[in-house]
Amino acid sequence: DTGVSQDPRHKITKRGQNVTFRCDPISEHNRLYWYRQTLGQGPEFLTYFQNEAQLEKSRLLSDRFSAERPKGSFSTLEIQRTEQGDSAMYLCASSLSSGGRNEQFFGPGTRLTVL
Amino acid sequence: GENVEQHPSTLSVQEGDSAVIKCTYSDSASNYFPWYKQELGKRPQLIIDIRSNVGEKKDQRIAVTLNKTAKHFSLHITETQPEDSAVYFCAASIGNSGYSTLTFGKGTMLLVSP
Repeated sequence: DTGVSQDPRHKITKRGQNVTFRCDPISEHNRLYWYRQTLGQGPEFLTYFQNEAQLEKSRLLSDRFSAERPKGSFSTLEIQRTEQGDSAMYLCASSLSSGGRNEQFFGPGTRLTVL
Repeated sequence: GENVEQHPSTLSVQEGDSAVIKCTYSDSASNYFPWYKQELGKRPQLIIDIRSNVGEKKDQRIAVTLNKTAKHFSLHITETQPEDSAVYFCAASIGNSGYSTLTFGKGTMLLVSP
């Protein structure tokens, strides 16, 4: 499968624990995005990387959230001291910057449940 | 920032009917408008997109129209089939040489009854 992959697919944790998610984009894509999706809502932008540089972070991304893309390939999203309100589907997407188009391909997501 | 409103939130049609989903956006600088289809428990998948230099785009049974003046765009599905049942999201972004994040609507659940 050459699409965007995410790991794990499901994560159940207790409030206060730290969790880390991984995203592997489509290999030639230089842009990588993290979104959060709650039930009945569209994906909400969290942060964006072009190669290894994190270029934008949403107001939604509190200081408990951190994301990295150390070699411009895979990315990790860490949530520290999880809260019940962090329960959501975390989606990763990637795209190739070309001609101004922004066709983003999504991964299957990591569903986080904070108990 | 950009704000995207999507209507209706649910839409039920009979197989073979047409379905129309409408979105409005707030930032006149937005110039790229994709539509995603998300089946239950699956990832969003791009079904069609349009750039602001085009007023309409069609791909088989799916078409998208854009009115830049009114800042709204619509998805049209003709000859609907049960497999079209899913949640559809519109989005808008400012695509330029820098970056372009997507702002999504809240989605429309389309149910096509046989």
